[in-house]
Amino acid sequence: GAGVSQSPSNKVTEKGKDVELRCDPISGHTALYWYRQSLGQGLEFLIYFQGNSAPDKSGLPSDRFSAERTGGSVSTLTIQRTQQEDSAVYLCASSKTRSSGVQYFGPGTRLTVT
Amino acid sequence: AQSVSQHNHHVILSEAASLELGCNYSYGGTVNLFWYVQYPGQHLQLLLKYFSGDPLVKGIKGFEAEFIKSKFSFNLRKPSVQWSDTAEYFCAVNAGNNDMRFGAGTRLTVKP
Repeated sequence: GAGVSQSPSNKVTEKGKDVELRCDPISGHTALYWYRQSLGQGLEFLIYFQGNSAPDKSGLPSDRFSAERTGGSVSTLTIQRTQQEDSAVYLCASSKTRSSGVQYFGPGTRLTVT
Repeated sequence: AQSVSQHNHHVILSEAASLELGCNYSYGGTVNLFWYVQYPGQHLQLLLKYFSGDPLVKGIKGFEAEFIKSKFSFNLRKPSVQWSDTAEYFCAVNAGNNDMRFGAGTRLTVKP
């Protein structure tokens, strides 16, 4: 009965480098979400996957951000040419379906761009 | 676009004090409402939710929230807080097939 897992838990990178963040959702959950949590900013929606449908990318802040979900399970969030303002905790959540509403969150990846 | 406002950024209470955290949203249609909690060093987890029916919903650990449609509010309450309630609390709204929108969060510190 594993929950949502994310890796790495912490990532320190130099400005300009690319990073990949991984999310393993709960088995059987068709919906997967990425959020960014910055200090005092709450949770900012980034991208949403539902089954085999085209992802909702409306929350991605720039074209440096992209995500994919392979085989309807594991998802990778990629940030290219990282900037200091990308420093935040990146959270992944999954839910049984989009309409079910209840999301189960992973522990997050703390990204620090130096 | 829907938005969620949490009025208090940081609330400090003594144990046994009563708690009310405000949450307002901007969306005129049918909504699903949630409160999530993040204890220090832990994942975000669901505290309670409202989909339909009785507008007063009860969650875990003695928390409750009341949906007041006319005020677009979903305030979180607890009659008597404990030190272990120290956490960050997030209100969230899901409107139909729209994605979840979260408030900025309220940090609660309970002094023993």
